[in-house]
Amino acid sequence: NAGVTQTPKFRILKIGQSMTLQCTQDMNHNYMYWYRQDPGMGLKLIYYSVGAGITDKGEVPNGYNVSRSTTEDFPLRLELAAPSQTSVYFCASEIGGTSGGYTFGSGTRLTVV
Amino acid sequence: AQTVTQSQPEMSVQEAETVTLSCTYDTSENNYYLFWYKQPPSRQMILVIRQEAYKQQNATENRFSVNFQKAAKSFSLKISDSQLGDTAMYFCAFMKRTDNAGKSTFGDGTTLTVKP
Repeated sequence: NAGVTQTPKFRILKIGQSMTLQCTQDMNHNYMYWYRQDPGMGLKLIYYSVGAGITDKGEVPNGYNVSRSTTEDFPLRLELAAPSQTSVYFCASEIGGTSGGYTFGSGTRLTVV
Repeated sequence: AQTVTQSQPEMSVQEAETVTLSCTYDTSENNYYLFWYKQPPSRQMILVIRQEAYKQQNATENRFSVNFQKAAKSFSLKISDSQLGDTAMYFCAFMKRTDNAGKSTFGDGTTLTVKP
């Protein structure tokens, strides 16, 4: 099993550009999450999904959008990138209801210049 | 809203010795879960240990154990027989389930260096 796969691993964007961070899991997990990690800080929840077709906002959703058309995929869309979105982005998944902890992807380091 | 505080930004320990990382949290919830995650220089986030708030018994995973004090809202991590591979940033996290989703609040982390 590959677990949670994130692409790309690194990206530099110019202010105002858009991009999609990809996240795929092959564990048939219902629950998926996007977090961002700013330098020297903990992770903050951007969006989450409890199943295909169902998404909701987390603590810091402004400037982002998500979709969940399949159980496996949970892409994060950045529209009109801003320097404040420079961060490391983590996708995570968990088996529904067990609270056994997340399985994380390896992260995407995004720099907006 | 929940808050998680890790009061030790950096710590160091000699190889083979024991170290304890502190974590306190603030919540009005009664049912929740607590976790410690490890983030080595590779950036990968790895689950170390979890604790269910309704269980009084402290969780253990090999060299890792916790001291969970629910009334004091404290959740410390003890690493025994420290190894060089334990060098990493450690994050304490609080999870509550809302509408089935397990949303987590993370502390700002403690950077642990194991010295040979």
